[in-house]
Amino acid sequence: AQSVTQLGSHVSVSEGALVLLRCNYSSSVPPYLFWYVQYPNQGLQLLLKYTSAATLVKGINGFEAEFKKSETSFHLTKPSAHMSDAAEYFCAVRGSARQLTFGSGTQLTVLP
Amino acid sequence: GAGVSQSPRYKVAKRGQDVALRCDPISGHVSLFWYQQALGQGPEFLTYFQNEAQLDKSGLPSDRFFAERPEGSVSTLKIQRTQQEDSAVYLCASSFIEEGGETQYFGPGTRLLVL
Repeated sequence: AQSVTQLGSHVSVSEGALVLLRCNYSSSVPPYLFWYVQYPNQGLQLLLKYTSAATLVKGINGFEAEFKKSETSFHLTKPSAHMSDAAEYFCAVRGSARQLTFGSGTQLTVLP
Repeated sequence: GAGVSQSPRYKVAKRGQDVALRCDPISGHVSLFWYQQALGQGPEFLTYFQNEAQLDKSGLPSDRFFAERPEGSVSTLKIQRTQQEDSAVYLCASSFIEEGGETQYFGPGTRLLVL
């Protein structure tokens, strides 16, 4: 079985500030991990994925995430927030099954 | 190329009506997944296909839910005798195996409201 916990259902940052969205996972096998972004009334867009090739993963729009096995974490970061980053972010894990298991999401607000 | 498309984008149904939701995957993608996203929640798995074979339907919440992909391309999710608790966004994703593993690409979803 696998699960994902996203700490903080709402995160607010000022424009230009660091973005940190937290994700912890559990998996009985080495996991594949994903971050998706969802804008209002749209589907999920892949930001980045971890597939065991490298622990620090760079994605689109300046986002990156670091896989830390000892902490079972895969936190998403961006050095400088932009207004266009305001959206909902989902962390997901795939273990032995084909389907993704998602966290409950973090709504990111960027303040001017 | 074109992404995953879903139709209709919005559907309002009266309780007890049957609905059919369509998914057109990315051309060439062998696997197709359906998820249900309740308001304020993350998507939850319903079922998936590899070509025309439905390999896992463990997430379907009741026998009122039925999915098919008869020719291994377009898929339809059917909900019979809709109930208010079926109100949600239904997301379809297709995938293929690429360097670094499998990635699911999502459509825009169908927002179902049952009155």
